[in-house]
Amino acid sequence: DAGVIQSPRHEVTEMGQEVTLRCKPISGHDYLFWYRQTMMRGLELLIYFNNNVPIDDSGMPEDRFSAKMPNASFSTLKIQPSEPRDSAVYFCASSRAQGPPQFFGPGTRLTVL
Amino acid sequence: AQTVTQSQPEMSVQEAETVTLSCTYDTSESDYYLFWYKQPPSRQMILVIRQEAYKQQNATENRFSVNFQKAAKSFSLKISDSQLGDAAMYFCAYQNYGGATNKLIFGTGTLLAVQP
Repeated sequence: DAGVIQSPRHEVTEMGQEVTLRCKPISGHDYLFWYRQTMMRGLELLIYFNNNVPIDDSGMPEDRFSAKMPNASFSTLKIQPSEPRDSAVYFCASSRAQGPPQFFGPGTRLTVL
Repeated sequence: AQTVTQSQPEMSVQEAETVTLSCTYDTSESDYYLFWYKQPPSRQMILVIRQEAYKQQNATENRFSVNFQKAAKSFSLKISDSQLGDAAMYFCAYQNYGGATNKLIFGTGTLLAVQP
């Protein structure tokens, strides 16, 4: 069974550009999570979905960030406009409704110049 | 709010030896999960071991075992017979049991080096 799939693996963009990160959770998993990893703040939750519905977006840093889950097999995290301080590794993770653990994707390394 | 603390930024162990990574946490909940994740240079987050707070028995997965002290809110990871492939960043993580909050709360990590 395929794990969590994220694309792209690496993204380099210039300040002000729109960035879209993509995630395909493990089939049958009801929860999807977006985490961000930086040297300064470590690993932190941005938002998570249950059955495609956003449950907790309190970690989304500001209005420049948005996330969607149009169906059970796809989610996007969009940053518009991007800023250099958004440079980080963004992880997507998924889990079953019955409980943990969360399985992580390989991450997207975002660099905003 | 729950917090997770890893007080050892870096650790080193000789190949085939045993090493213990420390983790403490703070919570007012009685039911929760604790995890150790491994992050090698590839940056993939890999689940190493999990522990349910209601279980008194310490979890074990091959060479990896935990020492879970609920009253002390301590959750250390022991790696036996260390191998070169164990070199990685190790994160301790906490998750509430049930309810609406399912997020993982991570510690700051311990970078483990394995010396040949």
